[in-house]
Amino acid sequence: NAGVTQTPKFQVLKTGQSMTLQCAQDMNHEYMSWYRQDPGMGLRLIHYSVGAGITDQGEVPNGYNVSRSTTEDFPLRLLSAAPSQTSVYFCASSLRNRAPDTQYFGPGTRLTVL
Amino acid sequence: AQSVAQPEDQVNVAEGNPLTVKCTYSVSGNPYLFWYVQYPNRGLQFLLKYITGDNLVKGSYGFEAEFNKSQTSFHLKKPSALVSDSALYFCAVRDGRGSTLGRLYFGRGTQLTVWP
Repeated sequence: NAGVTQTPKFQVLKTGQSMTLQCAQDMNHEYMSWYRQDPGMGLRLIHYSVGAGITDQGEVPNGYNVSRSTTEDFPLRLLSAAPSQTSVYFCASSLRNRAPDTQYFGPGTRLTVL
Repeated sequence: AQSVAQPEDQVNVAEGNPLTVKCTYSVSGNPYLFWYVQYPNRGLQFLLKYITGDNLVKGSYGFEAEFNKSQTSFHLKKPSALVSDSALYFCAVRDGRGSTLGRLYFGRGTQLTVWP
C-alpha cells in the first residue's frame, strides 16, 4: 500500500512550456484534489474530483487542467507555464462519504518556472 | 462559507513547556475539524480530527485539541513541547455539504519553533 504518490519530485520549466504532474493513490478513494502551497498563503485548492469522470474547480483553477479517467489517477496539466505557477504542488485523496474521512497527502512536487 | 483562521504566523516555546497553536473556524452545519503537520520538504501529515463527541481530541505524537463550539475554536495543544515538534501546523475544516462534500478549507499555517 503506497498511499498517495506524486511524480516528479522536482521540475524546472521555461515560460510557455507545458507539463503534467502525476498523482496516483491505491486506497480506492473517491475524492482527490490538487493544492498549491505558497509562503504565507497556506494551501489553496486548484481542482478536485469526487469520482472518476467528475472534476470541478477550486479556488485557483486558472492555468491548470485536470481529468479523472480512473479512480486511481488524477493528473494536473499546466498548458503554458508562467512564473506565477512556481510553487509546491500537493495531491490528496480521501473517501467521500458522510463520515469525515482523513485526507492523505502525497510528498509534493516542487515546480520552478523560469 | 467555510473558513479557518490561524491568528499567529509563528509560535515560539521552550522545550518542556506547554504549547498552544490557535485556530478559529466558520462553517455552515456541523464542524468537522482537522489538524495537519508539515515537516520541512515533506507533505502534510494528519494529526487529529474532531467529528463529534468529547471536546478534547487526542492525536498523534502526544498532541491534543480542544473543540469549543461557543468560541468556534479548535486549538492544538501539547503539555510538554519537544524540539522535534518544530514544524508548520495547519488547521482545516471539512465541507459537509452536497456536491462539495469532502473539500477541506485550510488556514494559512502556524510555524512552531521549540527552543532547546
